[in-house]
Amino acid sequence: QVQLVQSGTEVKKPGASVKISCKASGYSFSNYYIHWVRQAPGQGLEWMGNIFPTRGRTAYARSFQGRLTMTSDTSTRTAYMELSSLTYDDTAVYYCARDSTFAVAGTGFDFWGQGSLVTVSS
Amino acid sequence: SSELTQDPAVSVAVGQTVRITCQGDSLRSYYPSWYQQKPGQAPVLVLYGNNNRPSGIPDRFSASRSGDTSSLTITGARAEDEGDYYCNCRDISDDHYVFGTATKVTV
Repeated sequence: QVQLVQSGTEVKKPGASVKISCKASGYSFSNYYIHWVRQAPGQGLEWMGNIFPTRGRTAYARSFQGRLTMTSDTSTRTAYMELSSLTYDDTAVYYCARDSTFAVAGTGFDFWGQGSLVTVSS
Repeated sequence: SSELTQDPAVSVAVGQTVRITCQGDSLRSYYPSWYQQKPGQAPVLVLYGNNNRPSGIPDRFSASRSGDTSSLTITGARAEDEGDYYCNCRDISDDHYVFGTATKVTV
């Protein structure tokens, strides 16, 4: 069965960076887009960007341009999301999610990781 | 970039029908996907494309589209349908995506 398992809780200081992993199993990792979505406490869902593992092609939401990097390692079937220059506003649960259709983006995020809590605190 | 607007909250009695709307320019060009989220849990995909349901999603959930507005309808709501519902759609101008503002459904 398809599973996305994310790395654990992180506590970071303002200005630091955080890197979260998302390990996939149960499907052809290389050929499905992985999206990253975050949710601040009590707030809605925010799309951050996506990556197509086979080509490493990425798309980032404009609000994160310059401090967001998504990568993937097809040998370990793992996607990574790194966010730099953290501020208190980056405190959130970060999710990875798989796009539902082979090699196509935007058809619905059908499997989600369990979420990784990132707390930015001095 | 595109915005998707949803009503903040709706309530429905058990067994009745409720419709959740999502409005935005990108919906004229693309079908949205819909997600249900319960407290402390990851979102769950409930509808995508032209009224498609993933495996395991009951057929009381359906989608429709008219102009710049897409809707999710729950026909015969059940207590377990309570939660926050989000639409998501591709941005009209690029390959980015945006979530709606969320609708809290109370049954």
